[in-house]
Amino acid sequence: LAKTTQPISMDSYEGQEVNITCSHNNIATNDYITWYQQFPSQGPRFIIQGYKTKVTNEVASLFIPADRKSSTLSLPRVSLSDTAVYYCLVGDKYSGAGSYQLTFGKGTKLSVIP
Amino acid sequence: EAGVTQFPSHSVIEKGQTVTLRCDPISGHDNLYWYRRVMGKEIKFLLHFVKESKQDESGMPNNRFLAERTGGTYSTLKVQPAELEDSGVYFCASSPPSGSGGANVLTFGAGSRLTVL
Repeated sequence: LAKTTQPISMDSYEGQEVNITCSHNNIATNDYITWYQQFPSQGPRFIIQGYKTKVTNEVASLFIPADRKSSTLSLPRVSLSDTAVYYCLVGDKYSGAGSYQLTFGKGTKLSVIP
Repeated sequence: EAGVTQFPSHSVIEKGQTVTLRCDPISGHDNLYWYRRVMGKEIKFLLHFVKESKQDESGMPNNRFLAERTGGTYSTLKVQPAELEDSGVYFCASSPPSGSGGANVLTFGAGSRLTVL
């Protein structure tokens, strides 16, 4: 499984754009890059997933360079409610008929400041 | 659409007792997963059901843990007898059937916190 490295924590003021970069040097050809968000006392919540280039949805954008050895989650104009832990996951273990065994790291704790 | 529901939200038991956690996945989601985070550690995979069948139980820590999904709907995770190191948060997640798109996007429940004294 590809190992991921991301910042332990980040602080940002409200209204700013936040970019969280994740390194995954050993990403495999078939691996997708997925980001989850987790609030206290809740389960992780899917944010965005991509394979290459750029993906955008109503919540965030995901930038993936050509070599795919890193990815950047971009949150536009964060608010206090975006304070959470953000996980970058790469290379779900796929076994046989399909077992997406997610491998969570420590994640990045984002604190949004008023 | 109802999300993934877990019960109880918190359970406090003594060492040696038995606890059963329940998970109701999103309707139509064939895939059901159990994960857990023990104190200070990262979230770890426990097992995966496809309908009522165990697809992958490589993450189950030992035989004190028993997961079932009779009828392919809700699932239970029983810990018997519970030990101190079992304390943590147990998450259930579900996803649509493989091949339907989105099978690798898991929807998690809020978790069941287990405290073993």
